[in-house]
This record gives sequence, C-alpha cells and structure tokens, in this order.
Amino acid sequence: QSVLTQPPSASGTPGQRVTISCSGSSSNIGSNTVNWYQQLPGTAPRLLIYSDNQRPSGVPGRFSGSKSGTSASLAIRGLQSEDEADYYCGTWDDSLIRPVFGGGTKLTVL
Amino acid sequence: EVHLAGSGGGVVQPGRSLRLSCEASGFNFGDYAMHWVRQVPGKGLEWVSGITWDSHDTGYADSVKGRFTISRDNAKNSLYLQMNSLRPEDTALYYCVKDTSSSWSGGGHWFDPWGQGARVIVSS
Repeated sequence: QSVLTQPPSASGTPGQRVTISCSGSSSNIGSNTVNWYQQLPGTAPRLLIYSDNQRPSGVPGRFSGSKSGTSASLAIRGLQSEDEADYYCGTWDDSLIRPVFGGGTKLTVL
Repeated sequence: EVHLAGSGGGVVQPGRSLRLSCEASGFNFGDYAMHWVRQVPGKGLEWVSGITWDSHDTGYADSVKGRFTISRDNAKNSLYLQMNSLRPEDTALYYCVKDTSSSWSGGGHWFDPWGQGARVIVSS
C-alpha cells in the first residue's frame, strides 16, 4: 500500500489533455512540495516536475504540475505517443520521516 | 553529464548477503546526499535508504532496517548498499539516486538523476 494514492491507469488520444492525480495527507503533500517522475518502458525513472510545478531543463512545456491542500496533479497537454509511460508522485512525509511515493499511474496513448 | 552506474546485483539464496555499488561521475559527489530506491518488476517505487554528504546520518525503510547498511566513499565517488539476511521480498531493481541537497531527510528535495539500476534476485 503506497502512502500517496494515484489512479493505476489513465489514457488519452494524441493531442488531448490528460491529468493524473496524487492524493496524500497533511503530513506529506499538505506540508511538503511534490515531485513527479516519468518512467518510460524499460528505463529508470527521470525527474519530470519538482517543487510542485517546476520543470527541469529539457522537460517540454506540455508538462505541468499543481498542488492544492493534500492533493497534487500532473497535467499533460498535447498528448504524444512518446508520453506513454508510468508516472509517479513523490514527497517527504513528516510523520513517517522518510520519502514516500505514489503507486504509479500507467498512461496509455490510444 | 551527471551519471550513476550501479553494479553488484545478482542471484542470491535467502539469508545470504550482497553488496551493491554505485559509481558517480559528472558532479561533485561529496556535496550531495544519496539514496537507494528499489522497484519490484511491474510494481511501484520504494525508498530504501539515504545518507548525508558526510555519512554522519543515515535513514532506512522499516522493511530493511537492521539488515541493510548504506555507506559512501567520497574519495572514490562511490555509494554502497550492504544487504544482509536477504529475503525473497527483497527481489527488485535497486536504483542509486542523487539528492538535490546535502541531507537525505526533510522536505523540499527531489531525486535527480537515477542510475540504471542493479537487479537483485533472492531465490533458493
């Protein structure tokens, strides 16, 4: 059981906008910034969004992050076939005193 | 370019030990905290352990506490994970990961980049 809750799957057609949610509690998302990681098939995860809504250099502007209260969201606009991957949210938990992740969302581009 | 190369994985019997290594390049290794994160094939990510830049503080997931030991050698730009009393549920791909801070704990950090992973299989 993951500390952060994500939908196991999401899908969209090319060009569409898709959002992936990440739900937590006051001890994690409610009091710490959220990061998002993208894991393409057969590869290691890579940082996609940090500090709730910041994009590292090299990440397309189609990806954006937001946070409200104890939930965070990743939005992908103008969906492309190469966006098909697993997406994980992560943050720090003040009660567990360790980093925590969501269970991951498998995004399928139809 | 920042690069993390993990090694030392393999097949081991339950109860035995294994040591993972991770060699870092492309950044000042001694300035940053480091972590190990594992992933069971087809499953999600699980944080395993973290260590401060100077090795003064370490942290472990409850599932490995007392069995695994994280360490580093800044002179060799290397991170290690000594895994003892291995169990079948430790079977996973183990990623070496760089923190963005000198401390492994607390909010406001993120993991970047991730190494390619070392595969550990615990089976009789």
